[in-house]
Amino acid sequence: QQPVQSPQAVILREGEDAVINCSSSKALYSVHWYRQKHGEAPVFLMILLKGGEQKGHEKISASFNEKKQQSSLYLTASQLSYSGTYFCGTGDDNYGQNFVFGPGTRLSVLP
Amino acid sequence: KAGVTQTPRYLIKTRGQQVTLSCSPISGHRSVSWYQQTPGQGLQFLFEYFSETQRNKGNFPGRFSGRQFSNSRSEMNVSTLELGDSALYLCASSLAQPYSGNTIYFGEGSWLTVV
Repeated sequence: QQPVQSPQAVILREGEDAVINCSSSKALYSVHWYRQKHGEAPVFLMILLKGGEQKGHEKISASFNEKKQQSSLYLTASQLSYSGTYFCGTGDDNYGQNFVFGPGTRLSVLP
Repeated sequence: KAGVTQTPRYLIKTRGQQVTLSCSPISGHRSVSWYQQTPGQGLQFLFEYFSETQRNKGNFPGRFSGRQFSNSRSEMNVSTLELGDSALYLCASSLAQPYSGNTIYFGEGSWLTVV
């Protein structure tokens, strides 16, 4: 029951915006977002919880639509450093029941 | 403060052998999770330990096991290695429940190659 991420890959110019979606076929309690650069470990971006508020970090924010069982990651005015693969991870409860990662979205930001 | 430390960073094993990987979480963190990452299967959750108890387990065969010690350090073991076990094994630590809003920190991983 791996979540679906879209798009699979996206290429942007510096300064452009991007949206990465993560959707599940089941009810979710939490959605995590990570970014991984080539050859490096994933870096935790944020977690969104059922009933919680939209999260934000500088120019990267995310939303969680519980009814639609999906989350979206918003990258505003993208920078070169945003390049990498973005993964969402979803869980059924606050103990990480059935926690599973999406396949990833590869983001490339060009100068 | 020191980050999550994983050892060894790189290792090569022969099919049929077993391997033990170690993870030292950030000081004060009580939750340790393990993940396997491969080009074909992506990032997959192995298990999570909290205060020496395994709380969650991913869909992996019994050859994959782990444990957590009283100082929160964790080890994972893979027995009877198969070629398909070649992967990057990542450890992540969190202050408490990693699925309730606590930030999760990853180590640099242990690259395992099975020949």
